[in-house]
Amino acid sequence: SYELTQPPSVSVSPGQTARITCSADASPKQYVYWFQQKPGQAPVPVMYKDSERPSGIPERFSGSNSGTMVTLTISGVQAEDEANYYCQSADSSGNWVFGGGTKLTVL
Amino acid sequence: EVQLVQSGAEVKKAGESLKISCKGSGFSFTSYWIGWVRQMPGKGLEFMGIIYPGDSDTRYSPSFQGQATISADKSISTAYLQWSSLKSSDSAMYFCARLSTNGWSYWGQGTLVTVSS
Repeated sequence: SYELTQPPSVSVSPGQTARITCSADASPKQYVYWFQQKPGQAPVPVMYKDSERPSGIPERFSGSNSGTMVTLTISGVQAEDEANYYCQSADSSGNWVFGGGTKLTVL
Repeated sequence: EVQLVQSGAEVKKAGESLKISCKGSGFSFTSYWIGWVRQMPGKGLEFMGIIYPGDSDTRYSPSFQGQATISADKSISTAYLQWSSLKSSDSAMYFCARLSTNGWSYWGQGTLVTVSS
């Protein structure tokens, strides 16, 4: 089955850069989408189609695709960015899957 | 304004049936896929399946085939997720979401389902 792999946790100090990776085990690679989820809240989209930022999402959020790995980068991390982040994609059959999630801790 | 409003929290016993809802407004409900996502306590997001209310085309993620039923009533712009016999392992938060060209860009607030044995 199609799987997306994320690191369980990432920790950074305020003002530093956080990089959260997402790798897919199948090809051809589909677009990857990213969501931020804070405790008790619904997921919020923070990136779509690998590197497009939805309106209202701060410019410090960016996405990149290196072929085998997609990365969500948060530059100048702020305390409010502490959350769980999930990548999402679809396999060639149109089955949508999420990565296991990455807990971003702002030290 | 696009909105997905889900039904309220439910507390049920194992073996009971349940149907939760997701009502869309501010968009043409028949023109977008609606999906359901499970989040078990303290765990990650899991995609259960999707439905296209325009023609009721429904697709289940392999892990959730046969576990619950997704349906929609386009006359009242509402999608449903239902169980015929709940298990304690169905205890979770359930979210609905709408698919657009920008991905799953709109989400409901979630419905908490608690199943006691």
